[in-house]
Parts: sequence; structure tokens; C-alpha cells
Amino acid sequence: DIQMTQSPSTLSASVGDRVTITCRASQSISSWLAWYQQKPGKAPKLLIYKASSLESGVPSRFSGSGSGTEFTLTISSLQPDDFATYYCQQYNSYVTFGPGTKVDIK
Amino acid sequence: QVQLQESGPGLVKPSQTLSLTCTVSGGSISSGSYYWSWIRQPAGKGLEWIGRIYTSGSTNYNPSLKSRVTISVDTSKNQFSLKLSSVTAADTAVYYCARDRRRLFDYWGQGTLVTVSS
Repeated sequence: DIQMTQSPSTLSASVGDRVTITCRASQSISSWLAWYQQKPGKAPKLLIYKASSLESGVPSRFSGSGSGTEFTLTISSLQPDDFATYYCQQYNSYVTFGPGTKVDIK
Repeated sequence: QVQLQESGPGLVKPSQTLSLTCTVSGGSISSGSYYWSWIRQPAGKGLEWIGRIYTSGSTNYNPSLKSRVTISVDTSKNQFSLKLSSVTAADTAVYYCARDRRRLFDYWGQGTLVTVSS
């Protein structure tokens, strides 16, 4: 099965910062990667799919890139609503999620 | 706007079977080319996909859980269900149901906590 890792596990940032989260797959998943945002006590929200496609209604400050085994999620200018945990998810073979990256206030 | 709502017992004894139902509203469970999935999240941990079902009854399960999982659908009630057998404390988690758009989860229920304890 395909294992997903994320780095860092926690990221401290300020409003307005550019934030980048990395996700790696244990084998090539082409571009079959999604990103989700989860806030405490809430269900995850789909942000990005197929590595770089923005889900409808998601602000354009979110972007994704990568292919194969290495992917990034970038928030161009962090907003107060963006403090949350972010998960990557591969869907090349079944479905597995990364362990998450918590973005908190510096 | 599609909405999903999980329901079922919040407490299950070890070795018993966990049973949850997801009710879909705001649209027919049979409309569109969607699967319907179950995903769980132990407290403070990451997400684990359990399995999914199409309205035809076709299913896919996480290989690590396959021997214990059954997902079924009742289109007349706009519901799908999860059964997980032989539960242990490791199955304690928040269980989510979600609409599965080609293995992308675009609508989720609010989640329901299931605790396995005697």
C-alpha cells in the first residue's frame, strides 16, 4: 500500500506569511493527490485535487503543485481563517491520507 | 446542497459489531456518478478511509479492514450503512460519512464519535 508523509508536522506562522507544506508518497502516484483543511471538531474540507486543481469556492491563495512522489501546498498570504490542520490524500491506489500538518499562530 | 448525517450507537462493547448509518439529504443518493464512503479519525490522529459503495451495491474496502467491514446501501431511504465487526479499543474514533467523487471527498457529515469500551 502507498504511505504518505508530510512535513513539517507543525508550522508556526503569522497572518500574511507565505506557507508551504510538503507531502511525499512512498511510490509514484502521478498527480492523484488532494489536499484537505480541517478545523477542530469539524469535518475536513477539500481544497485541491489532482495535485493542482482548486476546488470550487476555495480562495485562490491556496495552490498545489507536484507530481510523482513529491507535492506541495502553498498558502500565498496566510489569513486568520487558515489556522487549521492540513492533510494530503493519495487516490492513485485505494485511498490513504498523510498524518497532517498543523498550522498555528506564531 | 447535499447534506450527510451519521447516526448510531456512541458506545460499543469490545468484540461486538459497530453499526452506523448515513442519511443523505438535499439530493438523491442515486443521482450522479458518486460513491459513498466511510472515513474515521481517532482522537488527535489522522484520517483513515474505511470503504465505499456505489448505489448499484458495488463496494471497495481498505485492505487493512476488509475482513471486518461491510458497507450497504438503501436507496429507498437515501441511506448507506457501515458495519465493523469484532471491534477493539483501536476502533474508537470519530466516524465520518462522505460523498465520494472519484475518491475525492467533497461533502462530509459532521462525524459521530464511537467509543469501544466495556
